[in-house]
Amino acid sequence: KQEVTQIPAALSVPEGENLVLNCSFTDSAIYNLQWFRQDPGKGLTSLLLIQSSQREQTSGRLNASLDKSSGRSTLYIAASQPGDSATYLCAVPQGGSEKLVFGKGTKLTVNP
Amino acid sequence: SQTIHQWPATLVQPVGSPLSLECTVEGTSNPNLYWYRQAAGRGLQLLFYSVGIGQISSEVPQNLSASRPQDRQFILSSKKLLLSDSGFYLCAWSVRGLTNTFGSGTRLTVV
Repeated sequence: KQEVTQIPAALSVPEGENLVLNCSFTDSAIYNLQWFRQDPGKGLTSLLLIQSSQREQTSGRLNASLDKSSGRSTLYIAASQPGDSATYLCAVPQGGSEKLVFGKGTKLTVNP
Repeated sequence: SQTIHQWPATLVQPVGSPLSLECTVEGTSNPNLYWYRQAAGRGLQLLFYSVGIGQISSEVPQNLSASRPQDRQFILSSKKLLLSDSGFYLCAWSVRGLTNTFGSGTRLTVV
């Protein structure tokens, strides 16, 4: 059974700092990994999708890496801004399906 | 473009009352559809999964049911709500190889 763990559970940083969020998964036989953002009381917004053949994906100030063999992914946020404050969720497919297994998320607070 | 609509945004219902949450998708055909629940202090839990009209898979035993009467419509129901049904319910859709897209969610409070 696939399990996803995210560390840390919460993170508070000053504006402008670079930061790394971590995600680990128990079953390395995944075909992709997704990072989502969730604002309080809102739905999920997809940030990055990394296919299993890729090692990283970039979108603006966000960079996600994937190491399937070690069962790990990181989300790097450069030059953080208060608007980046949200909960960040990592998710991988369950088995070969499109059903996602989520971590509990990292709650990020960027202080002005 | 593909969009997903979910309603209502918030709902307060008494214990024992029925429930019907609706989700519709636009701009795609034959999507996989999902219902997730996010309870306080817990991660997102997949409740139901559908690959086509009338095809529903239940992922966890519970007091809820789901139906897919049309290709792009997914309904979450209960005949009698329990306090433990409170939570944030999210509908999502996917097509192979693309990112999963989520609705804006329904905050259900059972009192």
